[in-house]
Amino acid sequence: DAGVIQSPRHEVTEMGQEVTLRCKPISGHDYLFWYRQTMMRGLELLIYFNNNVPIDDSGMPEDRFSAKMPNASFSTLKIQPSEPRDSAVYFCASSWIGNQPQHFGDGTRLSIL
Amino acid sequence: AQKITQTQPGMFVQEKEAVTLDCTYDTSDQSYGLFWYKQPSSGEMIFLIYQGSYDEQNATEGRYSLNFQKARKSANLVISASQLGDSAMYFCAMKITSGTYKYIFGTGTRLKVLA
Repeated sequence: DAGVIQSPRHEVTEMGQEVTLRCKPISGHDYLFWYRQTMMRGLELLIYFNNNVPIDDSGMPEDRFSAKMPNASFSTLKIQPSEPRDSAVYFCASSWIGNQPQHFGDGTRLSIL
Repeated sequence: AQKITQTQPGMFVQEKEAVTLDCTYDTSDQSYGLFWYKQPSSGEMIFLIYQGSYDEQNATEGRYSLNFQKARKSANLVISASQLGDSAMYFCAMKITSGTYKYIFGTGTRLKVLA
């Protein structure tokens, strides 16, 4: 079975550029999560969706960050404009409702120069 | 406040020995789930084991077992017969479903298995 698929795996871009991270959840999962991981702050939940609807975006750091889920099989996380402090590993995860684990993608390692 | 605490930032264990990674949690909810994930140096997050708050038996998955002590609010991970490939970061997480669905992660424990 295909797991959570994230793209790109690595992204290096200059400050001020728009960055788009992509995620394909596991088919049938009705929850999708976006996390950011840094050495300083650990693993932070940015936003999550249930049935394509954003439920809690309280972890989104600034208005520069936005996330969408136009359908059950695709989600994006955008940063515009990007800043060096946005450099981190961004994970997407999906799960079913109930006492099921989240399944994580391999992450996108983002470097903003 | 809902919180996961992992007090061991780093641990060493000799190959083939057992090791316990500590996790305590804080919640006033009656229904919750506890999870452990492994993050090797390659970066992916791998689900290891799950324990529900109403489960009476401790969860086991191969060499992994979860020592669940509800009254003490602890959910320690026990790895038996450690292998070199167990060297990784380990995260404890709690899922709460009352109100807004929440998934809270601890800060992690870095385990190094010595040959």
